[in-house]
Amino acid sequence: AQTVTQSQPEMSVQEAETVTLSCTYDTSESDYYLFWYKQPPSRQMILVIRQEAYKQQNATENRFSVNFQKAAKSFSLKISDSQLGDAAMYFCAYRYNAGNMLTFGGGTRLMVKP
Amino acid sequence: EAQVTQNPRYLITVTGKKLTVTCSQNMNHEYMSWYRQDPGLGLRQIYYSMNVEVTDKGDVPEGYKVSRKEKRNFPLILESPSPNQTSLYFCASSPRTGKFTTNYGYTFGSGTRLTVV
Repeated sequence: AQTVTQSQPEMSVQEAETVTLSCTYDTSESDYYLFWYKQPPSRQMILVIRQEAYKQQNATENRFSVNFQKAAKSFSLKISDSQLGDAAMYFCAYRYNAGNMLTFGGGTRLMVKP
Repeated sequence: EAQVTQNPRYLITVTGKKLTVTCSQNMNHEYMSWYRQDPGLGLRQIYYSMNVEVTDKGDVPEGYKVSRKEKRNFPLILESPSPNQTSLYFCASSPRTGKFTTNYGYTFGSGTRLTVV
């Protein structure tokens, strides 16, 4: 069974600084996707970024980028120029491409200090 | 607007009183799922459906039922709720995935906060 681990229950960052959230996963599959979801206090689940396992290039979406290390099964999220609106729970998730289930990590609560 | 709509947003009920949380999507997605979110555990899948009349158990199905009579709707039924089912519930939908498709992940509803007393 696949597992996803987020080892940092809480993180904090100063506004305008950069922060990296960690995620590791375990799978025996080779064709899969990885995601980072943001959950603000409104509790809506918002897709931040996704990474296809077959792509070596790290995904980037504006201030959000990932460091995907397939051999190490690591998938960290970097947030640059942090803003107050980035404060939220962040979930790392895995999905086998031919499967239906998203497997989530336990989440990291990010606080942004003004 | 493409979305997943679930209702109600908040629900307080008593132990043993049957309840239904509704979920509807307007994106013609084949896959639909229910998740529950608990502190420190992330989201865990309760049940999923790959198409009409096709449902199966996820990781934590005990105490829940689902049905998929129409493609757009996927209600979650708690026949006899208990306090350990107090949680935040999410419905989500996704297009079919596979070798030649792009996996965009799931689109989530805005959640139902359920409290069972």
